[in-house]
Amino acid sequence: AQSVTQLDSHVSVSEGTPVLLRCNYSSSYSPSLFWYVQHPNKGLQLLLKYTSAATLVKGINGFEAEFKKSETSFHLTKPSAHMSDAAEYFCVVSPITGGFKTIFGAGTRLFVKA
Amino acid sequence: EPEVTQTPSHQVTQMGQEVILRCVPISNHLYFYWYRQILGQKVEFLVSFYNNEISEKSEIFDDQFSVERPDGSNFTLKIRSTKLEDSAMYFCASFGISGANVLTFGAGSRLTVL
Repeated sequence: AQSVTQLDSHVSVSEGTPVLLRCNYSSSYSPSLFWYVQHPNKGLQLLLKYTSAATLVKGINGFEAEFKKSETSFHLTKPSAHMSDAAEYFCVVSPITGGFKTIFGAGTRLFVKA
Repeated sequence: EPEVTQTPSHQVTQMGQEVILRCVPISNHLYFYWYRQILGQKVEFLVSFYNNEISEKSEIFDDQFSVERPDGSNFTLKIRSTKLEDSAMYFCASFGISGANVLTFGAGSRLTVL
């Protein structure tokens, strides 16, 4: 069975400061992990994905995430927040099995203060 | 980069009416999904589809819902008799195993039931 936990329902940072959005997962398989972003009234946009290659994954808009198997974590970071980063972020785990389903975390809303 | 395309982007319908949401998955993908997100809530899995049949469905996916791939390119979600609580954003996704897992979501179709 799979599960994913986003540890913070909302995070508030000041523009120009680092962003950390936390995600822990559990999986009985070697999972694929994703971060998606959803801007207000918009669809889901893929930020980055981990698929058993490099453990440090770089995504779009300066985001990156590190897969840590020992900690079962896949935290999303960005060195310097921008106002346009304000959105909802979803950590997603997806196994590779037939008839599988993808599990979404509950989401973390990021607020960026000027 | 290949995209999953969804139409319509927004549909308003009266309660009890039938609605069909359409999706064009990425052309070499074999697994297809529908998810929904009720406003302010978590993204929920509805159904997965592989080899022209449903491979898994959630308890949300009751007899009012159906999916099909009528022509080898479109993947549709039909809601037979819409209810107020069907109002949500519906996301289509497709998945292909080609070296690395790539789960790609469409931008979503917003359904408003009045």
